[in-house]
Amino acid sequence: AAGVIQSPRHLIKEKRETATLKCYPIPRHDTVYWYQQGPGQDPQFLISFYEKMQSDKGSIPDRFSAQQFSDYHSELNMSSLELGDSALYFCASSLGSSGRAHEQYFGPGTRLTVT
Amino acid sequence: GQNIDQPTEMTATEGAIVQINCTYQTSGFNGLFWYQQHAGEAPTFLSYNVLDGLEEKGRFSSFLSRSKGYSYLLLKELQMKDSASYLCAVINYNQGGKLIFGQGTELSVKP
Repeated sequence: AAGVIQSPRHLIKEKRETATLKCYPIPRHDTVYWYQQGPGQDPQFLISFYEKMQSDKGSIPDRFSAQQFSDYHSELNMSSLELGDSALYFCASSLGSSGRAHEQYFGPGTRLTVT
Repeated sequence: GQNIDQPTEMTATEGAIVQINCTYQTSGFNGLFWYQQHAGEAPTFLSYNVLDGLEEKGRFSSFLSRSKGYSYLLLKELQMKDSASYLCAVINYNQGGKLIFGQGTELSVKP
């Protein structure tokens, strides 16, 4: 079965550069969540989208922005990168409009390293 | 506020049974999840409890008591491959359905 796809899988950037992470949800899933997981930390919710509209916002820095496109894929844009942004970034998708909206499926993650 | 607590680490022996506890205090509650995560990999879904009681799925069982804000994950017949981090997470639909994770319990299974 198709799973959540994230690209790139690994990304190395320098301080003050920008990065764009992409997430392709499971086909027919209309809800996307972004989480950030630092080394040895639990995943922290950043932002979510349902039907291309932002549905909730967590601890996402103002330097970051995200959107969900008409094909339901989502992109997380990160600017003025800092060393502390080095983390695993997970995208999860679910079928938000159904009774099984709780079933969030995680992608493999993008490992961002800022040097 | 949101507070989810679980032990930082546990050690158990291959073939044994281990129980990982999770307590939570959240502003809303629509269910509790357990995820397994190997280092550097994505969390994988293990169980979901929304009603009180025990949910059994093979070697894994999960229990929930909403009145006590308490859950546990029970792993039976431990295998070496069960060595991983186990994350307890609460979902709240009034907050967009995001998952709020605990710190995770690092389980080490010894021969």
